[in-house]
Amino acid sequence: AQSVTQLGSHVSVSEGALVLLRCNYSSSVPPYLFWYVQYPNQGLQLLLKYTSAATLVKGINGFEAEFKKSETSFHLTKPSAHMSDAAEYFCAVLTGTASKLTFGTGTRLQVTL
Amino acid sequence: DAGVTQSPTHLIKTRGQQVTLRCSPISGHKSVSWYQQVLGQGPQFIFQYYEKEERGRGNFPDRFSARQFPNYSSELNVNALLLGDSALYLCASSHHATGFYEQYFGPGTRLTVT
Repeated sequence: AQSVTQLGSHVSVSEGALVLLRCNYSSSVPPYLFWYVQYPNQGLQLLLKYTSAATLVKGINGFEAEFKKSETSFHLTKPSAHMSDAAEYFCAVLTGTASKLTFGTGTRLQVTL
Repeated sequence: DAGVTQSPTHLIKTRGQQVTLRCSPISGHKSVSWYQQVLGQGPQFIFQYYEKEERGRGNFPDRFSARQFPNYSSELNVNALLLGDSALYLCASSHHATGFYEQYFGPGTRLTVT
């Protein structure tokens, strides 16, 4: 079964610092991977997706992620954190013929001054 | 363009009652999926519907049911509510032309069962 694991339920960075949120996947077939962001009391917003094209994927709000097959990873990065980046981030993998998204447990990003 | 809309925003029900949640997809999207997000966890897949047919079902009891209408809107029904059904219920729509890969989520309906 395909799954994702997010390492670190809470990450705190200073404004202007590098953001690194970790996601590892488990899949017997080439996966389709996604990062979503959830602001308090809101739904999920798609940040970026990997669908077996370029391994470095650029998303919205300056985020990007690199698919590394050798490490089974799809970590999310942003060079310089902004206060508005504070939110919950979810990594997800598309599974099955029903286009079901299987989510990780989420990482809460805190940005401090 | 309007995004995915859900109603109601919040709902409080008593154990044993029944609830209906509604979702309208993005214009042109014919697929709707439902997810349950319990506080502090990632969303869990409940159903996917495409062209009014159930395309997939997650590991949820038969108390959960859904349907899709000719205009592609959808309803999620939960019978005999339990305290554990308290969660944020998210609807997502997707376009068949993209293989349903890109799922766009609505703001959710927060259900509280007392």
